[in-house]
Amino acid sequence: QQQVKQSPQSLIVQKGGISIINCAYENTAFDYFPWYQQFPGKGPALLIAIRPDVSEKKEGRFTISFNKSAKQFSLHIMDSQPGDSATYFCAASLKGQGGKLIFGQGTELSVKP
Amino acid sequence: DAGVTQSPTHLIKTRGQQVTLRCSPISGHKSVSWYQQVLGQGPQFIFQYYEKEERGRGNFPDRFSARQFPNYSSELNVNALLLGDSALYLCASSLGGSSGANVLTFGAGSRLTVL
Repeated sequence: QQQVKQSPQSLIVQKGGISIINCAYENTAFDYFPWYQQFPGKGPALLIAIRPDVSEKKEGRFTISFNKSAKQFSLHIMDSQPGDSATYFCAASLKGQGGKLIFGQGTELSVKP
Repeated sequence: DAGVTQSPTHLIKTRGQQVTLRCSPISGHKSVSWYQQVLGQGPQFIFQYYEKEERGRGNFPDRFSARQFPNYSSELNVNALLLGDSALYLCASSLGGSSGANVLTFGAGSRLTVL
């Protein structure tokens, strides 16, 4: 019940295309859902985050869509660029346990020029 | 401004040895969390410390221990190393408390190889 399941494991998108990564969770007590971007040799960096009282959040080319009833959330990267090639992780945490993120398995995104 | 700094960046140990990893949080951040990231997987939570007190512990054996110092820096210790402890160990800091607690900033990690 504490798992966050992420798909796909890898994704190849053409430059200018839309990248979509999906995550599903079981625990309805989760109240914070961030997405992290990780480049090789670096630590994860916060990209965008959402709370369950909002169905969508957009920051630049990055959008989180959140479906509370389906217990799913997704990351959309519009106008994907080669510089977006990285590993993306969704995560979730319980209220009051912000230091304890439960991560998905990761999606390796490759954007072809 | 300096981000989260971790040391050492890389280290090689043999089975049975002990290792200490260090982390300096962002200035003003009082909470430090430790994660283990095995190659090809997402980070797994090990510990969280806030104001020098343990606030959470993940599903790791007692060979793993940590502490936080008065200046909010932290150490992660792993005893009796096993081959399976080979991983990237990540430290993340946050403001902690009731606000901003969820915004974790990660360091670049310490890459541990156990032979």
